[in-house]
Formats: sequence, structure tokens, C-alpha cells
Amino acid sequence: GAGVSQSPRYKVAKRGQDVALRCDPISGHVSLFWYQQALGQGPEFLTYFQNEAQLDKSGLPSDRFFAERPEGSVSTLKIQRTQQEDSAVYLCASSLAGVFAEEYQETQYFGPGTRLLVL
Amino acid sequence: DAKTTQPPSMDCAEGRAANLPCNHSTISGNEYVYWYRQIHSQGPQYIIHGLKNNETNEMASLIITEDRKSSTLILPHATLRDTAVYYCIVRANTNAGKSTFGDGTTLTVKP
Repeated sequence: GAGVSQSPRYKVAKRGQDVALRCDPISGHVSLFWYQQALGQGPEFLTYFQNEAQLDKSGLPSDRFFAERPEGSVSTLKIQRTQQEDSAVYLCASSLAGVFAEEYQETQYFGPGTRLLVL
Repeated sequence: DAKTTQPPSMDCAEGRAANLPCNHSTISGNEYVYWYRQIHSQGPQYIIHGLKNNETNEMASLIITEDRKSSTLILPHATLRDTAVYYCIVRANTNAGKSTFGDGTTLTVKP
């Protein structure tokens, strides 16, 4: 079956430009996560959705970052007025269960990421 | 989530067992130990997880010490395709599922 897909795989933006990154989770997965991974570092949590509800956005670095999942499936991460420090790989992950299940042990399935380069 | 400490890099000969250590001395009772790996230019891939008992699946074994302050991921017969960055993550089952990755261990399997 299809895994998590992300598009575009690569994006080059000029500083100040707005970008939109798309994530298609595994069909039927309730939970969706966005992570940011700088070069040579591990992924860092940005935000989490359970269905269409954004339950945790504590990792978003600034108000230039906005994520949505309006119908509880596809999600878009939008970055406004991009800066050079936004250059990173943006990873999306999904899991079957909602994280407030009593015993959340769900495996998170990651997409290949979108590599964003801001010039 | 508890912080984890891993060696930055390790080498392993092809066909031999790779033993990757992880320290998580501040782990809490409700926190699980997860292992993921990331092959170059791909997203992280789940390997295994456990709470306090040792676990084994088709990919690896996870050995957790009795005090739960450290664990070891074992790849029993490493192949060149196992070359990757391996992340040890400690995650509570009630923290909305977000995973706190460190910098991981870069495992290089050599022929």
C-alpha cells in the first residue's frame, strides 16, 4: 500500500517568498505530525493534528509558520516570508490512532520529506 | 520527554552484529523506548519499541536494562543497507505522540 507522500520533494525559494508544502498521509490515519530537520541534526517536532484538529503547535518556530488539515487527511505546511534559516527538510509523519488513546504506542510512518532551500 | 544520549558514530563489519547503545537515565515510568533509523535522503523508519521487557522483531532486538536507564539496539547480522543514522527516542504514551529526536548514531557497515 502507499506510504506517506510529500510534495514537492525539493523547493528553492527566494527570501521573502511564501511556500506551501503538502503531505498525503496513509489513508485512514488519524494522527499527522510535521517535523523540521536541519542539516546534520535529528528531526524536531513542529505540530500535530488529530483528524482536522490541530492539537499541538508548540514547535512552530514563529507565526510565519502555519499548518492546516481541513478535511482530516491531506495537510499543508505554509511558511510565509521565508528566511534563510528556514532552509531544512520538512518531514511529515502519520499514525493510525489518535494519541490520546489510553496506551499510545503507535508507530509513526514518515514521508521522504521536502527539502527547502531559501536563497 | 527524557533526554537520550547516543555515541555520534559507530562502525560494524558486514555480517556481524551491530550493538547500538542509548542512555536515558531520566526516563519516567510511563515512557517507552523507541528506535528509528534514517537512511540518507529518506524519512525516518520505525524499527522497534519497548517499555521494560526485551523485544525482538524481524528487524532487530531491543535490550532494556532492568533499571530502564539504558538500552541497546541489536542488528544481528548487519548488511551494507543498514548504514544509516539510528535514533533512540524516549516518549511518553500521553504526550500527544510527538517524538524528541537527538542527533542519533551514524552506523557505518563496512564490507
